[in-house]
Amino acid sequence: DAGVIQSPRHEVTEMGQEVTLRCKPISGHNSLFWYRQTMMRGLELLIYFNNNVPIDDSGMPEDRFSAKMPNASFSTLKIQPSEPRDSAVYFCASGGSSYEQYFGPGTRLTVT
Amino acid sequence: KQEVTQIPAALSVPEGENLVLNCSFTDSAIYNLQWFRQDPGKGLTSLLLIQSSQREQTSGRLNASLDKSSGRSTLYIAASQPGDSATYLCAVGTGGFKTIFGAGTRLFVKA
Repeated sequence: DAGVIQSPRHEVTEMGQEVTLRCKPISGHNSLFWYRQTMMRGLELLIYFNNNVPIDDSGMPEDRFSAKMPNASFSTLKIQPSEPRDSAVYFCASGGSSYEQYFGPGTRLTVT
Repeated sequence: KQEVTQIPAALSVPEGENLVLNCSFTDSAIYNLQWFRQDPGKGLTSLLLIQSSQREQTSGRLNASLDKSSGRSTLYIAASQPGDSATYLCAVGTGGFKTIFGAGTRLFVKA
């Protein structure tokens, strides 16, 4: 398996623009997580899905952030409108029944 | 509210030394604890997962222990190598898949 795949790997955008991050989990995994990592706040769980259903989105910082999982092999995290303080590395991870999580390589987002 | 603390924040050791990284958590009602490794500019790699009913897990030169009652976990690395240099994070599973991460310990192993 290719592991968790994220795209793009790097994104630079201007404040106010819409940003969409994409994730393909490991085949057969039924849970998917979106995390954000910054120097100031470390690694934060934004939202996680189980069997394509959002279970806990309490970590989503504000209404500008939204996440979807239309099927078992694809998820998106959207920021609209983006702000400079959204600059961070966004990780997607997937997990199976063992609760072990497997991380993707991350998307480095820079909002100018 | 569960809080996860890792001490020390950074550690530098000579090659070959055995070392211990510490992780503490405030609420002992955890489902599992996982140790990860993160290389600069990369994602996280899972090293060991300890279920709440277990006391320890071993993989090669790594051994992780869990003491739920005292809210502590340790990651023991034997015979450290320069390739072990990375940031090590512990993560506590608080229910289902919800996970709280510590800030990490940055390890540098000198050749």
